Parts: sequence; structure tokens; C-alpha cells
Amino acid sequence: DAGVIQSPRHEVTEMGQEVTLRCKPISGHDYLFWYRQTMMRGLELLIYFNNNVPIDDSGMPEDRFSAKMPNASFSTLKIQPSEPRDSAVYFCASSLALRGTQYFGPGTRLLVL
Amino acid sequence: ELKVEQNPLFLSMQEGKNYTIYCNYSTTSDRLYWYRQDPGKSLESLFVLLSNGAVKQEGRLMASLDTKARLSTLHITAAVHDLSATYFCAVDMSRTASKLTFGTGTRLQVTL
Repeated sequence: DAGVIQSPRHEVTEMGQEVTLRCKPISGHDYLFWYRQTMMRGLELLIYFNNNVPIDDSGMPEDRFSAKMPNASFSTLKIQPSEPRDSAVYFCASSLALRGTQYFGPGTRLLVL
Repeated sequence: ELKVEQNPLFLSMQEGKNYTIYCNYSTTSDRLYWYRQDPGKSLESLFVLLSNGAVKQEGRLMASLDTKARLSTLHITAAVHDLSATYFCAVDMSRTASKLTFGTGTRLQVTL
């Protein structure tokens, strides 16, 4: 299996622009997670899905952030409008079962100028 | 609110030496993970510890869990340069959800 796939790997954008991050989970995994990693706050869970349904979005920082999972093999995390403080590495992860080991993608390094 | 603390935050050690990384957490949990992250890379799962007294070993790394003390340790035996990375513990505190709270990470640097 190819593992969790994320795109783009790097994104540089200007403040106010819309940013869309993409994730393809491991085939057969029913759970998908979005995390954000920064030096100041470490790794934070933003939202997770089960069978394409958002289960817990309490970690989503603001209304500027939204996430969707239209089917079992694709999810997006959108930031609109983006701000410099959104600069971080965004990881997507998937797991086979509830409370199963989470497998992380390579991450998207986002820089908002 | 669950807090997960690791110490030390940074560890520089010589090849061949032994050391232990500590992970303390603030509330009851029955499941703890250890991950490794190389600079600029993703997180790689190392161990999952599922019960009090659980011990897992892989190569020069051994992890243990004491749920009563709310403490997990990652012991490094005879360190080699390839072990240089940042190590995270992550606690799963819910039996009905799937939410990991990550520790601050311990950056390990193994020198010759």
C-alpha cells in the first residue's frame, strides 16, 4: 500500500487567499484525522471522520477552517481566508479501527505570507 | 483537560550510552503510543501500549506503561546515530472515541 497521501507537500500563499489541502487515506481505513503541528503548540488534532462523517471537530480553530470527506478515499481541509498564524505543517492520518494505530501522511508545509 | 508532558525536551547522548525518556499524563488512560519523527518528515508509529505493565521492545528501544502512575518510559539501549529523531508519546484517553493527545516531544541527538 502507498500509505497516506497528501498534496501539496508545500504551499506558499498570501494572507487572505484560500488554501485547500488534500488527503487520501490508506485503502480500507475507516477513520481519517487532520492534525496541525507548530513549534509553539505542538501536534494538535483538528478534526476526525469515521466512514466519511465528521465525528469531532472541536479542535478546528476558527470558522475559517473547514474539512470535508466526500468519499472514503478523499478528504480536504480548507482555510479561507488564510492568515500568517495558520503557517504550520498539516498532517493527515488514517486508522483501520476506532482507537487503532494512526498512520500519518508526509504532511503539507504551509506558509502564509 | 488532558496534559501530556515529556522530559527531557532535548537529549544529547553519546553512541553506546543508555537513557530513558519519560512521558507523564494527567488523567486515566489505557492506551499510549510512541511515535518517531525525523526532521522534516512524518510520524512513524513505534509502539502501542494497551495495559498496565505492558512492555514492548524493538531493537534498541523498549517502551513500558504504568497506568497507575500515569507514566510511560522509552528506554534507549546502546544508542546509535540512526536513533537521532524526535520521539513523541500520545495518549488516548477515551474508550469511545479516537482522540490522541500528543506530548511535547523529545528531540534525541546521538553523537559519535
